Amino acid sequence: GAGVSQTPSNKVTEKGKYVELRCDPISGHTALYWYRQSLGQGPEFLIYFQGTGAADDSGLPNDRFFAVRPEGSVSTLKIQRTERGDSAVYLCASSLVGPLNTEAFFGQGTRLTVV
Amino acid sequence: KQEVTQIPAALSVPEGENLVLNCSFTDSAIYNLQWFRQDPGKGLTSLLLIQSSQREQTSGRLNASLDKSSGRSTLYIAASQPGDSATYLCAVRLIANAGGTSYGKLTFGQGTILTVHP
Repeated sequence: GAGVSQTPSNKVTEKGKYVELRCDPISGHTALYWYRQSLGQGPEFLIYFQGTGAADDSGLPNDRFFAVRPEGSVSTLKIQRTERGDSAVYLCASSLVGPLNTEAFFGQGTRLTVV
Repeated sequence: KQEVTQIPAALSVPEGENLVLNCSFTDSAIYNLQWFRQDPGKGLTSLLLIQSSQREQTSGRLNASLDKSSGRSTLYIAASQPGDSATYLCAVRLIANAGGTSYGKLTFGQGTILTVHP
């Protein structure tokens, strides 16, 4: 595609529910990143994929958060038993090869609101 | 743990002024530093990338400098325009180490909200 696409653009869910956020990276990009941005803050790193595998998941806040990238392209961020504190904009980015010397392109994000 | 701080948190200037945004970081073992722009409700757009061995990078009216030893970077915007109004974010990429830091992680500051009024 022309850019990184994230769906849905907005998601409202009730506390305790399960949600999935989808990221379609730029075609051919092997590296994919997830970040979370709370209001008035900079993005916080969650997880980085190189191909199908999670190369670094050190930013996932707890075991309610999980992400997959089974075929090395589309990625899904999954949040179980959502809490109000999970409300944020979830940003996805991709880069052609790895994170070094190749620019990461960001999507417009999914705004998650947990009520 | 790397911490990135941006000053000021917000800045309002009249059109045509030159301005400087500041970024400081606590761990000097960085691989590179990047400045981004974020418009309301949008994703991030990369402006300038400075490798740790470089002192500055320029793109049009933008100039970013890096002083790794003091843990500082500045973004200079010349002849500001209303279209420059946005949030500007600074992010550093640490050198990967056995302690778990990977090259995939960017650590962001909280941003500077810039308003340029006509």
